Amino acid sequence: DQQVKQNSPSLSVQEGRISILNCDYTNSMFDYFLWYKKYPAEGPTFLISISSIKDKNEDGRFTVFLNKSAKHLSLHIVPSQPGDSAVYFCAASVNSGYALNFGKGTSLLVTP
Amino acid sequence: DSGVTQTPKHLITATGQRVTLRCSPRSGDLSVYWYQQSLDQGLQFLIQYYNGEERAKGNILERFSAQQFPDLHSELNLSSLELGDSALYFCASSVDHRGLEQYFGPGTRLTVT
Repeated sequence: DQQVKQNSPSLSVQEGRISILNCDYTNSMFDYFLWYKKYPAEGPTFLISISSIKDKNEDGRFTVFLNKSAKHLSLHIVPSQPGDSAVYFCAASVNSGYALNFGKGTSLLVTP
Repeated sequence: DSGVTQTPKHLITATGQRVTLRCSPRSGDLSVYWYQQSLDQGLQFLIQYYNGEERAKGNILERFSAQQFPDLHSELNLSSLELGDSALYFCASSVDHRGLEQYFGPGTRLTVT
């Protein structure tokens, strides 16, 4: 039972443009959300997170938006750079919990 | 480099065999998590240890077990291996038991033939 869904397996964006990666979740108990980035042959690395008490969190070129009523979050990368090409995983957890529930990932390709 | 180390990087073994995967957490981290990533799947949480004790279990098969030692390194034991156990196994660590920010190792790729 996939509680975190990333419905786009891949996304291609031109350098300099905005990349928007989407994520939906089904468990209303989730109250902490994270994005991880993964390069080939490496483990996922933490990118940005957001608590359910917020609807936006920004860190440099990366912004995460949370729409609790729609159970939807998105990651915006502006401007996109070729080095951003990687697989992006959305994850969610219950704050008092322990496990991260991951989506299947979206492969982002930023072309020059 | 996340500071989390995993050995071995690759492991090839036959069905029915038993293997042990090893993880050393970041210095100062007390929690260790194990995840499995099968082909076309997201990372599936298996089990968490905090300061030597099992804290939470996810979708871990009975053929799999884990432990965390006094020096905080952890081992994941997989037995009676089946072809479907072929996957990437990631270890992650966090400073506390809540695991809100977990740091992942590079993974161990297990191939069961």
